[in-house]
Amino acid sequence: DTAVSQTPKYLVTQMGNDKSIKCEQNLGHDTMYWYKQDSKKFLKIMFSYNNKELIINETVPNRFSPKSPDKAHLNLHINSLELGDSAVYFCASSQATAGNTIYFGEGSWLTVV
Amino acid sequence: GNSVTQMEGPVTLSEEAFLTINCTYTATGYPSLFWYVQYPGEGLQLLLKATKADDKGSNKGFEATYRKETTSFHLEKGSVQVSDSAVYFCALGGSRGAQKLVFGQGTRLTINP
Repeated sequence: DTAVSQTPKYLVTQMGNDKSIKCEQNLGHDTMYWYKQDSKKFLKIMFSYNNKELIINETVPNRFSPKSPDKAHLNLHINSLELGDSAVYFCASSQATAGNTIYFGEGSWLTVV
Repeated sequence: GNSVTQMEGPVTLSEEAFLTINCTYTATGYPSLFWYVQYPGEGLQLLLKATKADDKGSNKGFEATYRKETTSFHLEKGSVQVSDSAVYFCALGGSRGAQKLVFGQGTRLTINP
């Protein structure tokens, strides 16, 4: 029944590794997002896809690559992980109409050691 | 560009106290405004929203009114409970198309019994 689900919830990995976070939504939304929350709780958008097309791409290192195989999925792949990538990554979805609510997943806590 | 400024935290209150968390924004057009809440160890949940000037959003005893003249969306609750302890985020959505939410810095609220 979970509307926006992301896996894994917790991930501890070493510097230099490559990792992926998966996200799925069952709300029938046409737009999905990745947000990053840093250690001070500040939230910032990273990417947004509408109907599998990239529409928002903030200033993010190109080690981060989103992939949307279909409207219901948006995965985040991170290459060559760095200590500074440690954060909580939130997947979200909505219908692409102004004022519509964005629904967030429970977050993926990434720790790079 | 769009921005949101929230009341500095942390905020500590006693149970049954009156709560106000200030939020002001800078935006072009007619944005939608949101309050999200993050309970410890959890993801973001929509608390309430307003999509046009003078709208009042309300949920779980919380209220906020979209004031265009003062560019504000202050969160209020008449009598807080221990279970309201969380981090509260004010956010601004675009006036059209996909919702690139811009978040305030978050306000940590602790309610003591």
